[in-house]
Amino acid sequence: DADVTQTPRNRITKTGKRIMLECSQTKGHDRMYWYRQDPGLGLRLIYYSFDVKDINKGEISDGYSVSRQAQAKFSLSLESAIPNQTALYFCATSDPRPDQETQYFGPGTRLLVL
Amino acid sequence: AQSVAQPEDQVNVAEGNPLTVKCTYSVSGNPYLFWYVQYPNRGLQFLLKYITGDNLVKGSYGFEAEFNKSQTSFHLKKPSALVSDSALYFCAVRDRGSTLGRLYFGRGTQLTVWP
Repeated sequence: DADVTQTPRNRITKTGKRIMLECSQTKGHDRMYWYRQDPGLGLRLIYYSFDVKDINKGEISDGYSVSRQAQAKFSLSLESAIPNQTALYFCATSDPRPDQETQYFGPGTRLLVL
Repeated sequence: AQSVAQPEDQVNVAEGNPLTVKCTYSVSGNPYLFWYVQYPNRGLQFLLKYITGDNLVKGSYGFEAEFNKSQTSFHLKKPSALVSDSALYFCAVRDRGSTLGRLYFGRGTQLTVWP
């Protein structure tokens, strides 16, 4: 979905390196999310943010941090990458209104940690 | 606790035949339910959702799903499968009464439609 963009699309890094994944959206949504996808495990929530001042841990936040620089931007950082953080990472946004629950996903960032 | 189960890792069906991808859920309150599809090297795309009202929900690409409260299920169906429907399908749930607004996803079902 072109309304949600992620950079980079692919990244190879080494163990111990710091890496940042960026997400931008033009949908005007307050809510943003970071997920990781691993084969056979589905999507697991890393962090989510309901507005610029509200950031919450998801179910697998250890080893990750986030920054909500603006309504439209939500970055995910791996402070010291490790091989088991190799995965496909997705950013998503949603409208907070109860009848507008759909989440809109970016194209994903494929990360390989050597 | 909220959770979603997709009991089949893979579903294989011949083109032109009906398809069903199963989903059951567990929430403490009433659910919002969703289906998403992921094509190779792409992000997740929204297919359909159940919020309230008619238990049969129609979505994109001819897909539909039926909300069954007694069986806590939300199976995805299509009357006639296409090869282009081959993709990874995710069911997701949210507790309607939760203020957190987050979705819980199943592990995904790989659908393969062969010619």
